[in-house]
Formats: sequence, structure tokens, C-alpha cells
Amino acid sequence: DADVTQTPRNRITKTGKRIMLECSQTKGHDRMYWYRQDPGLGLRLIYYSFDVKDINKGEISDGYSVSRQAQAKFSLSLESAIPNQTALYFCATSVPSYSGGELFFGEGSRLTVL
Amino acid sequence: AQRVTQPEKLLSVFKGAPVELKCNYSYSGSPELFWYVQYSRQRLQLLLRHISRESIKGFTADLNKGETSFHLKKPFAQEEDSAMYYCALSGKTSGSRLTFGEGTQLTVNP
Repeated sequence: DADVTQTPRNRITKTGKRIMLECSQTKGHDRMYWYRQDPGLGLRLIYYSFDVKDINKGEISDGYSVSRQAQAKFSLSLESAIPNQTALYFCATSVPSYSGGELFFGEGSRLTVL
Repeated sequence: AQRVTQPEKLLSVFKGAPVELKCNYSYSGSPELFWYVQYSRQRLQLLLRHISRESIKGFTADLNKGETSFHLKKPFAQEEDSAMYYCALSGKTSGSRLTFGEGTQLTVNP
């Protein structure tokens, strides 16, 4: 079954460490997204990519970077993690849509920065 | 700028009671509105979108452009409806980038 897979599912790290969260998909979708979920704040867009050569900042990109290695892979990096980056991170995919298509989400990666 | 507001972080009702989850938005143009749901230990998934005008799992939502609202309603709540619900918006200027509200945790008590 076509899927969106995130690794790792859980990670505990220390302040200052570099962390990479990976996302791969078998849905064949061109568009991929990274969201962050915090209680009371909902989901906020970090970065998105509409195709392999396209990378765009979202609402809260500071402190994050991404890499679109292939159509199926979109990685999120925290170059120097800090405690307020503790959150649940979601990768999502979609097909091209002029004004809003369905997002398909991964299961989430829970990151704790001590 | 586009914004989505869900004023209730927590909502608790009894089984069989009507439920309404509120969503208000701000957007200069014609928005596309969605409701996403996250059941316990499941992925976030699309529940319904306003352009479909359909009822999913007994839920409906009507876009009210005058009041800039897209409230989610169900006449008789079931225990299996307990979940986190997110209202989301996109528009022609944002492509398929969704802006989500803060979320409402619905609990349906037996």
C-alpha cells in the first residue's frame, strides 16, 4: 500500500546536536511538506517542496534546513538543536493542486531536545 | 495573510448529544476549507472539504463566507468520534499549502 514513512519515530537528543529526520514516500506525489505540531499551536509549516528542484520556506523555517534528495525523499535537519524544537514533526505529501489538495501524512517523529 | 482559529482547545460531550466544533478563518479571497482528524494512534487524515459538500461519518461543515466560519457539526456524537480535529485553509495564492488551526480535542463520553 502506498505510504509515507518517517524515521526515526522517536529521538531524544541534547542541545547543540545535529539531527536529521527523514521522510520517504511511495505514493508518487511530487509535493512534500514538513510540519511541526505543538499542543495549543496546531500544525505549522516548516518547509515544503513542490518538486525535486524546488524548496520553499514555510512559517517557521528558522533553525531548520531541508534536502529533497529525490522525488520520494525529503529530509529535515536541525543543525544545532535547542529545547524549544522539542515537538512532534510530520511529513506530508500531496499531488499538485491549484488551491488545495488532500495531504497524506506520515506517522510523525517525536523529537525531544534536552 | 491567512489565519485559522479554533477557539475551543477541548470539547467534551455525551454520546448521542449534538456536537459543533468551531472554526473561523481570515483570508482575502476565496478559500478552500478542510477538516482533518487525528484518532488515537492513527495518522492525521482528511475528514472532509467544503467543496465536496458531503457528509463523512455523519459530520457536515458549511462554509459561511459572511461569518468567515467553517464549523464542523454532527447531530449525534459517538464515542468513536473522540479525536483531535484540525480546521485548515488554503487558497489560490498558497497552492496546496495548508494553514492549520490550533486544533480541538473532542471527547465523547459514554
